[in-house]
Amino acid sequence: NAGVTQTPKFQVLKTGQSMTLQCAQDMNHNSMYWYRQDPGMGLRLIYYSASEGTTDKGEVPNGYNVSRLNKREFSLRLESAAPSQTSVYFCASSGDRGPAKNIQYFGAGTRLSVL
Amino acid sequence: RKEVEQDPGPFNVPEGATVAFNCTYSNSASQSFFWYRQDCRKEPKLLMSVYSSGNEDGRFTAQLNRASQYISLLIRDSKLSDSATYLCVVNLNTGGFKTIFGAGTRLFVKA
Repeated sequence: NAGVTQTPKFQVLKTGQSMTLQCAQDMNHNSMYWYRQDPGMGLRLIYYSASEGTTDKGEVPNGYNVSRLNKREFSLRLESAAPSQTSVYFCASSGDRGPAKNIQYFGAGTRLSVL
Repeated sequence: RKEVEQDPGPFNVPEGATVAFNCTYSNSASQSFFWYRQDCRKEPKLLMSVYSSGNEDGRFTAQLNRASQYISLLIRDSKLSDSATYLCVVNLNTGGFKTIFGAGTRLFVKA
């Protein structure tokens, strides 16, 4: 009963380092999302993918890239980390049919610190 | 003006109290509405969907007023375990699908 799985749970980076956050879902959802959450700011959408092979920018895409590797996996890459990217990152997925349409299910989050 | 606005709180209430949260949204193209709950250092989880006719789930009641563009959540007989942040969520369909999360309202229920 995994749902949405994110790795890693915690990460500390130095300014300029790169890393990829991994996300996988086992609910056969078409849509997947990456958010960041900062104190007092709520969830802000970085990128989303409405289906395998498509990605679109969200509210705060600068400094990030994404890959929708297949239907299950959606990764987020920081090419050159900056202290402003210190945040909690959540991956989510949602279906597009039935009573659960558009309900987003979240992973446990990745706590990232950039020094 | 934010697209989805909530009172940030915190709301501090004693056990057994009734507490109400309000949320306003600015886009009349909003199609579906939800309340999510987020515990400290955890991910958001769906609490309940909000239907036009209003809906109830145990101690929780959600209401939608499309004319005034607001959503409410009422919690009756508050429990310590209700302490969390409650997020108002609005889905738009304006040519492209869009979900907007409110910043959340923090609730502390005290013994």
